[in-house]
Amino acid sequence: AQTVTQSQPEMSVQEAETVTLSCTYDTSESDYYLFWYKQPPSRQMILVIRQEAYKQQNATENRFSVNFQKAAKSFSLKISDSQLGDAAMYFCAYRRHTGTASKLTFGTGTRLQVTL
Amino acid sequence: DGGITQSPKYLFRKEGQNVTLSCEQNLNHDAMYWYRQDPGQGLRLIYYSQIVNDFQKGDIAEGYSVSREKKESFPLTVTSAQKNPTAFYLCASSPRGTTVYEQYFGPGTRLTVT
Repeated sequence: AQTVTQSQPEMSVQEAETVTLSCTYDTSESDYYLFWYKQPPSRQMILVIRQEAYKQQNATENRFSVNFQKAAKSFSLKISDSQLGDAAMYFCAYRRHTGTASKLTFGTGTRLQVTL
Repeated sequence: DGGITQSPKYLFRKEGQNVTLSCEQNLNHDAMYWYRQDPGQGLRLIYYSQIVNDFQKGDIAEGYSVSREKKESFPLTVTSAQKNPTAFYLCASSPRGTTVYEQYFGPGTRLTVT
């Protein structure tokens, strides 16, 4: 079974600074997808960024980028120029490539605080 | 506007009662999912459905039941057999297929059982 581990329960970053959230996963499959979701205080889950395992290039979305290390099974999220609105819970998630409706396996989350 | 609605936002029930959580989507998605979220834990899959009249158990299906009579609707019933029903419940949907479609989430329902 796949597992996703987020070893940082809480992180803090100053506004305008950069922070990196860690995620490791365990799988025996070679093709899969990885996601970072954001859950603000409203508790609405919002997709931040996605990565296909077969792509070597790291995904980027504006201020958000990932460092995908397939051999190490690591998938960290970097947030640049942090803003107060970035404060939220961040969840790393894994999805198998096969299967038409495949479940997401989530980590336990990292709570990010953004300070002035 | 397209999206997923869950109602109500907060739900209170007495122990021993069954309760049904609503999930409706107008995104024309084939697949729908129910997750449970507890403090300090990530989301865990309860049930999912790929098409109408079909659904599969997730990781923590015991004490829950679902139906999928319409493409737009995927209600979740929390039965009295569920030992710890108090939690935050999230519904999600996605297009069906092998492309890396994201799952779109509803706003959630907070269920409190006393």
